[in-house]
Amino acid sequence: GQNIDQPTEMTATEGAIVQINCTYQTSGFNGLFWYQQHAGEAPTFLSYNVLDGLEEKGRFSSFLSRSKGYSYLLLKELQMKDSASYLCAVNDDYKLSFGAGTTVTVRA
Amino acid sequence: NAGVTQTPKFRILKIGQSMTLQCTQDMNHNYMYWYRQDPGMGLKLIYYSVGAGITDKGEVPNGYNVSRSTTEDFPLRLELAAPSQTSVYFCASSPSEVGYEQYFGPGTRLTVT
Repeated sequence: GQNIDQPTEMTATEGAIVQINCTYQTSGFNGLFWYQQHAGEAPTFLSYNVLDGLEEKGRFSSFLSRSKGYSYLLLKELQMKDSASYLCAVNDDYKLSFGAGTTVTVRA
Repeated sequence: NAGVTQTPKFRILKIGQSMTLQCTQDMNHNYMYWYRQDPGMGLKLIYYSVGAGITDKGEVPNGYNVSRSTTEDFPLRLELAAPSQTSVYFCASSPSEVGYEQYFGPGTRLTVT
């Protein structure tokens, strides 16, 4: 079976940094995706990690440790528009297994 | 490109009714997926397809059926709707290669009463 855990909610102040952790235990692994989902909208792609280490993309960075079954998404210089749910998803072959999502609320 | 389109956007069904959720993509992707998302939950895979004529069950297939007669279309059929099928349904597609992101449609919000 697939087990993917991430915190339910996080709150941070505009301009701050927030780190969303994701731990996984899955039967297969072909990489890990992070998606952003605003309320009432579809998920949109943020990042993909298949090798250990940090991938940086502007204000967003994602880290992966395959040996620990662990990833995090780092959001820097938070803006109000970053208030959304962030979904961790493990790629097993061509299928994705999703965590329940972390709702991030950015306060002024 | 329109990407992934879904119809309808909203639907209310009575218990026992049937309906088809439509999904079309214009990116020539071989892989297509149907997910459901319940409030406060992640997405659960219902069915997926790796090409025209090929479909397979995901994590929560009971109460649903799919077909894939063309590369572009991947309809999801609900037979004998039940309140437990109240959810938001997302269709997605991706290229065949591992590591490519899935592109999601805007979703269909279904209520069964």
